[in-house]
Amino acid sequence: GNSVTQMEGPVTLSEEAFLTINCTYTATGYPSLFWYVQYPGEGLQLLLKATKADDKGSNKGFEATYRKETTSFHLEKGSVQVSDSAVYFCALSDGAGGGSQGNLIFGKGTKLSVKP
Amino acid sequence: DSGVTQTPKHLITATGQRVTLRCSPRSGDLSVYWYQQSLDQGLQFLIQYYNGEERAKGNILERFSAQQFPDLHSELNLSSLELGDSALYFCASSVGPGTTYEQYFGPGTRLTVT
Repeated sequence: GNSVTQMEGPVTLSEEAFLTINCTYTATGYPSLFWYVQYPGEGLQLLLKATKADDKGSNKGFEATYRKETTSFHLEKGSVQVSDSAVYFCALSDGAGGGSQGNLIFGKGTKLSVKP
Repeated sequence: DSGVTQTPKHLITATGQRVTLRCSPRSGDLSVYWYQQSLDQGLQFLIQYYNGEERAKGNILERFSAQQFPDLHSELNLSSLELGDSALYFCASSVGPGTTYEQYFGPGTRLTVT
C-alpha cells in the first residue's frame, strides 16, 4: 500500500540555520504530496503542496519539490526562526478505492526545535 | 483559526464506555475527514464523508462509527473503549473530495481512557 517515510527527529538547529527534512514515498499512480505543520497544542496546518511531478510548493520561506524519479518531497528552508519550532508531517493523498477521495497518509512527523 | 470546530476539547472516560466526538466543518465545506493521532500509530485516516455519504474508510475499528448529518456536522462514535483508544482525534474538512481541495484541520479532541 501507499506509505510515507520521513526522517526521524528531533532536529535541533540554531536560528538562521538551513533546514532539510527528508521525505520519501511509495505510491501507485500519481499522488499529491503535502507538508503539514503542527504547533504545540494545535491542529495541523497545511504548509505547502505539490500535485504533479516537478512541481515546487512554497510558503513562508519553506519549499519542497515533487521528485518522481526519486519518489521524494524534501522540505527545505534557508534560514529557520525560533517560531518555526513545531512538528512537521509529510503526507500523500491516497488513491486507493478506485480514485482518490483526498484522504491523507502521513509520515510519523519530525519535531524541529530552533534555538536562539 | 481554521474554521473547523471540535467538541469536546478533552474527554476522560473509563474502559468499556462509549463517547461521541463532534465536528463542525468550515462554512461551505461538504467533506469531512476523521483522523486519529497516537504515539504508537502516528496519524491515521479513519473515515471520510461527503455531503452526508460515506466516501472512504481507513483503519477504523468496528467499535467505531461515524456519520455526517444534513447540516454537515459530523460525529464520531467510539464504543467499548479500550486503553489503546487514548489518542488525539482530529476532524478535517474540505470543499470536496479528492486531492484538489485543501483540508483544514480542527484543534482536535484529546481522549483519555482510564
